[in-house]
Amino acid sequence: GAVVSQHPSWVICKSGTSVKIECRSLDFQATTMFWYRQFPKQSLMLMATSNEGSKATYEQGVEKDKFLINHASLTLSTLTVTSAHPEDSSFYICSADRGIEQYFGPGTRLTVT
Amino acid sequence: DQQVKQNSPSLSVQEGRISILNCDYTNSMFDYFLWYKKYPAEGPTFLISISSIKDKNEDGRFTVFLNKSAKHLSLHIVPSQPGDSAVYFCAASRGSQGNLIFGKGTKLSVKP
Repeated sequence: GAVVSQHPSWVICKSGTSVKIECRSLDFQATTMFWYRQFPKQSLMLMATSNEGSKATYEQGVEKDKFLINHASLTLSTLTVTSAHPEDSSFYICSADRGIEQYFGPGTRLTVT
Repeated sequence: DQQVKQNSPSLSVQEGRISILNCDYTNSMFDYFLWYKKYPAEGPTFLISISSIKDKNEDGRFTVFLNKSAKHLSLHIVPSQPGDSAVYFCAASRGSQGNLIFGKGTKLSVKP
């Protein structure tokens, strides 16, 4: 079955540094990928929609200069958290579209110290 | 290996009838389970959750049942309405703050 991977699965970084998270569709091509952030009480916030070959579409309230998204190929999208702060600590999940189906990645736990 | 499985990719139900969406999990450490509803081009929205200390949780038309011994949960929607047509994702975590692990989703179509 279709698989979406994320790397790294967890990362600890210091405040002020940048962190890159990769999202890959392993056995299918995904023209559209989505990035989510998990908040307390299990709510998921859609951060942005990443389209291959074009600029990402950010949801209202999400800083595009802080959360850089690049969809360089049909199997890879990256989310870079720039100048990370402790409040950016969270669980980031990507998903990839395959026709009408959507597959979630396993998530990346980011801790900013 | 998938830890959360939704084996039915799609389900079609007549309006007014019951919709039953199923989810199985393999990790016995999971103790918190959630259902999300997703419309096209939107992020998933939280629907209902259940902790492993319960076997049933009800919220209006939505009821989630948990069978720990079978590692199985189900979402019942009664009565089903056309507006319920969406993709439903089952998710599990260790604790209410744990990382969410999602199933592949089931597309529900409720026909008038």
